[in-house]
Amino acid sequence: DIQMTQSPSTLPASVGDGVTITCRASQSISSWLAWYQQKPGKAPKLLISKASTLESGVPSRFSGSGSGTEFTLTISSLHPDDFATYYCQQYKTYPYTFGQGTKLEIK
Amino acid sequence: EVQLLESGGGLVQPGGSLRLSCAAAGFSFSTYGMSWVRQAPGKGLEWVSAISGSGGTTYYADSVKGRFTISRDNSKNTLYLQMNSLIADDTAVYYCAKDPAGLRLPLDYWGQGTLVTVSS
Repeated sequence: DIQMTQSPSTLPASVGDGVTITCRASQSISSWLAWYQQKPGKAPKLLISKASTLESGVPSRFSGSGSGTEFTLTISSLHPDDFATYYCQQYKTYPYTFGQGTKLEIK
Repeated sequence: EVQLLESGGGLVQPGGSLRLSCAAAGFSFSTYGMSWVRQAPGKGLEWVSAISGSGGTTYYADSVKGRFTISRDNSKNTLYLQMNSLIADDTAVYYCAKDPAGLRLPLDYWGQGTLVTVSS
């Protein structure tokens, strides 16, 4: 199975800050990487597919990059609504695997 | 508008069985694969199982292989997860998700989830 490792696990930040979350795959997944946002008690929401393709309706302050084994999710200027938990996921092959999550919290 | 609505969760004793359902609307159900993903309380996301649009191909996580069975009824636009020999570690919110794997896309729509609690 492909292991996905996210860092950091927790990220304290303030409104207006720019932040970056890193995701590493245990083997190359080309660009078959997705990012999800999850708020407490809610289902995950797809933000980015194919490492860098923003889903419709997702604000442009979100961006993704990377290929192979190293990926990043960047939020350029945090809004209050962005404080949530973020997960990366590889969909190159089954079993799909997720990173352990990064909780973006208010500093 | 894509809608996915899970049902069937509840409290079950260890060793028991439960069948989850996911009613789909707003897209051509038989065209797309579907997945189940679970989330234990306070934990991260774990993919559980997937099925192709026709139902002819299925995939399972090692943690549930041999105990869970995924299926679908395209005439009813409904996805199922039959869960047998349940253990405490199966306690989680179970989400169904549209899985357009054939289009090289990730899980793009999710239901609201249904809670399964395995406890005596």
